[in-house]
Order: sequence, then C-alpha cells, then structure tokens
Amino acid sequence: DTGVSQDPRHKITKRGQNVTFRCDPISEHNRLYWYRQTLGQGPEFLTYFQNEAQLEKSRLLSDRFSAERPKGSFSTLEIQRTEQGDSAMYLCASSSIPSTSVEQFFGPGTRLTVL
Amino acid sequence: AQSVTQLDSHVSVSEGTPVLLRCNYSSSYSPSLFWYVQHPNKGLQLLLKYTSAATLVKGINGFEAEFKKSETSFHLTKPSAHMSDAAEYFCVVSDRNTGTYKYIFGTGTRLKVLA
Repeated sequence: DTGVSQDPRHKITKRGQNVTFRCDPISEHNRLYWYRQTLGQGPEFLTYFQNEAQLEKSRLLSDRFSAERPKGSFSTLEIQRTEQGDSAMYLCASSSIPSTSVEQFFGPGTRLTVL
Repeated sequence: AQSVTQLDSHVSVSEGTPVLLRCNYSSSYSPSLFWYVQHPNKGLQLLLKYTSAATLVKGINGFEAEFKKSETSFHLTKPSAHMSDAAEYFCVVSDRNTGTYKYIFGTGTRLKVLA
C-alpha cells in the first residue's frame, strides 16, 4: 500500500503520560501536515513540514506538543503530560510540490483517549 | 483570511431524492476548494476538488459541485441519494496566504439518508 500510514491507530493513556504518534507519508511527498479532530468538529491544522523543516505551527499547538520530521521522511508528534482535553483524532496528511492541485492525502488517523 | 462556512450542520433526505450540501467560502485569492467525506470510524476521502479549471466539478459516487464566484459558493449536489451516502461531509479551502497550502475545514454537515 502506498498511501499515508499512521501508527498506532488507537492509543489509550492516563492523564499526565507522554504519547508519541508516527506518520509515514507517501514516499515522494515533501509536504507533511498534522491536524486534530475533536468529536463533532472538523479537523484543525496543527503544524506543517516542508521536507525536514517545520515551517508553521498553529496556536493550538501548546508547548506540550512537539513534532519532528527527521530527514524529511516520516514524522512524529509527541504530546507530553497529556490532559483529557487532548483526546481527539490526530490526522496526518501529505502532498507534493510542485503540484497544481494542492491536494492532500490523509492517513487513517490515530485516536487518542486520555483517561 | 480564508475560511469556509457550511450552512447546515445536519441534512436529512429520503433515499432516491436529491442531495444539496451548502458551502460558502471567503478568500482573497482564487481558491482551491475541496469536498471530503468521512464515514463513521473511517478516514477522510476526497470527493472532488476545484482548482480554477472548470467551474462544474464532477467527483466520485455521482457527486458534483459548482464553483460560483459571484456567490462565493461551492455547494455539493447529488441527483439521487443512496443509503451509503450517510456520512459527515467537509468543505475545505486550501490556504495560499502563507504558502503552506494548509487545509481550512468547515464544521461539517452530517447527512442522514432515510429509507
């Protein structure tokens, strides 16, 4: 399968624990995005990478959140000291430039539940 | 700033009747617009996209949307609803302002199809 993959698909953790999610984009895509979707809402942008450089972070991304994309391939999103409000679906998407369609391809998401 | 507004949070139609899901956009640039569908516990699937080519865009599963600049609208339609169309639908604009092309999602429209 050559689509975007995310791991794990589900994560249940206790408040205060750290969690890390992984995203593997489509191999030739140099743009990578993270979004967060809470219940009943549309996804919201968290952060953006172009190759290995993190070029934009949303104000939603508190200092407990950190994302990396070493070598411009896979990306990780870490949440430290999780809170119940972090419970959400975390979506990863990738796209390529140059691209006239600016279409992003989404992974299946990681559903985080913080108890 | 770019944004999309989905005018209905819930739409109910009978099977075999037309579907209309409404979306208005705000953009200082010629926008790239998308409709995505999300079935329960499934990932986001692209239905169709507008990227300044033909104003009437045909997508998968019989869906289409018309870009109307004068009305700043991008409504999604389908001539005949099927039970399998029941899902959450998101209108999306790609943000060109910052060069990230991040997605800005509407709040979603939940489509219910009645037998």
